[in-house]
Amino acid sequence: GQNIDQPTEMTATEGAIVQINCTYQTSGFNGLFWYQQHAGEAPTFLSYNVLDGLEEKGRFSSFLSRSKGYSYLLLKELQMKDSASYLCAVTDSNYQLIWGAGTKLIIKP
Amino acid sequence: GAVVSQHPSRVICKSGTSVKIECRSLDFQATTMFWYRQFPKQSLMLMATSNEGSKATYEQGVEKDKFLINHASLTLSTLTVTSAHPEDSSFYICSASPVSGDYNEQFFGPGTRLTVL
Repeated sequence: GQNIDQPTEMTATEGAIVQINCTYQTSGFNGLFWYQQHAGEAPTFLSYNVLDGLEEKGRFSSFLSRSKGYSYLLLKELQMKDSASYLCAVTDSNYQLIWGAGTKLIIKP
Repeated sequence: GAVVSQHPSRVICKSGTSVKIECRSLDFQATTMFWYRQFPKQSLMLMATSNEGSKATYEQGVEKDKFLINHASLTLSTLTVTSAHPEDSSFYICSASPVSGDYNEQFFGPGTRLTVL
């Protein structure tokens, strides 16, 4: 079966750095997405990786290793508004999006 | 660019009534639109994939006669929840993929919160 694993919940301190991991086992791979979702709102796009390596976009970076079936989302200089759920999603060989259950990130002052 | 709207944003209805939710791509044409629902504290669950001018493809376990999807144009898809019951109360989110560009791209609408009394 297809599976995406990410931690259920993480806690970090304002101003710090946090890394949210995602591992996947899917039938084929055509890219990995990270989305941010605030409570009661729709997801918003953060990043897309299809090749190995690190993609940096401001305070957020996303890393992919296809051979390991692994990705992480790195958030720097954490702000209170970063408190949200972070969803990892993988596009499989049929271009279906497979969603992880999301990681709830709690930022403390 | 790549804005998707949904209407209504919130709806409360009585059990047994039908509710229609619209999803529109405002500044691009969408070959494919996706309908998701999300229960509290759970991840998105894909309900169906709709392509303009053809029948929607429903995920296993989703009743196609209960959740009617119409993708009549390249900018509009509708989801009708027929004979809604309290267990249908959920957050319904649509997304759209552009005609051109990366097939993988999905742009999400803001969601519709349905409460069935």
